[in-house]
Amino acid sequence: GQNIDQPTEMTATEGAIVQINCTYQTSGFNGLFWYQQHAGEAPTFLSYNVLDGLEEKGRFSSFLSRSKGYSYLLLKELQMKDSASYLCAIEPGTYKYIFGTGTRLKVLA
Amino acid sequence: SAVISQKPSRDICQRGTSLTIQCQVDSQVTMMFWYRQQPGQSLTLIATANQGSEATYESGFVIDKFPISRPNLTFSTLTVSNMSPEDSSIYLCSVEDGGWAGENGYTFGSGTRLTVV
Repeated sequence: GQNIDQPTEMTATEGAIVQINCTYQTSGFNGLFWYQQHAGEAPTFLSYNVLDGLEEKGRFSSFLSRSKGYSYLLLKELQMKDSASYLCAIEPGTYKYIFGTGTRLKVLA
Repeated sequence: SAVISQKPSRDICQRGTSLTIQCQVDSQVTMMFWYRQQPGQSLTLIATANQGSEATYESGFVIDKFPISRPNLTFSTLTVSNMSPEDSSIYLCSVEDGGWAGENGYTFGSGTRLTVV
């Protein structure tokens, strides 16, 4: 089967760096996505990893290791507005998505 | 990126009734997707709607319960039929946001928060 695990909640301080991990068990997938979802709002796209390694986009970076079944999202210079849920999702087939339950990040002043 | 207008944003419905959710996209898209997000749970894909053909349903979801229409390339509806309290959830539509999925990912509608009493 296909399973995605993320920590349920994390807390960090404004200005800090936080790493949100995502582990998965699947036989294969096209790519791995990260989305941000503020409470009561729709998810918004952050990043997509196909190959192993780090993809950097401003304050956000995402890493993938297919051999280890592992990804993380790195958020630098945390801001209060980064308080949200972060969803990891794999694409096991075209137009197929499996989402993790999300990590609720709380940024404290 | 694509802009999706989804309505209603929320509704409270009596069990046994049906609710139709609409999604309007500001550009033509081939595929539209319908998701459910139950409280504290992840997003689960209900079905994929391609214009001009029957929707493709994921395991655990059937057309009689969740009929979908896709009359043109900018619009789709999802109906939640014969509702029970277990159908209380957030329902979202989604489209691939142009070009390669890795560039822009998928865009989601703002969601419909359904409560069945």
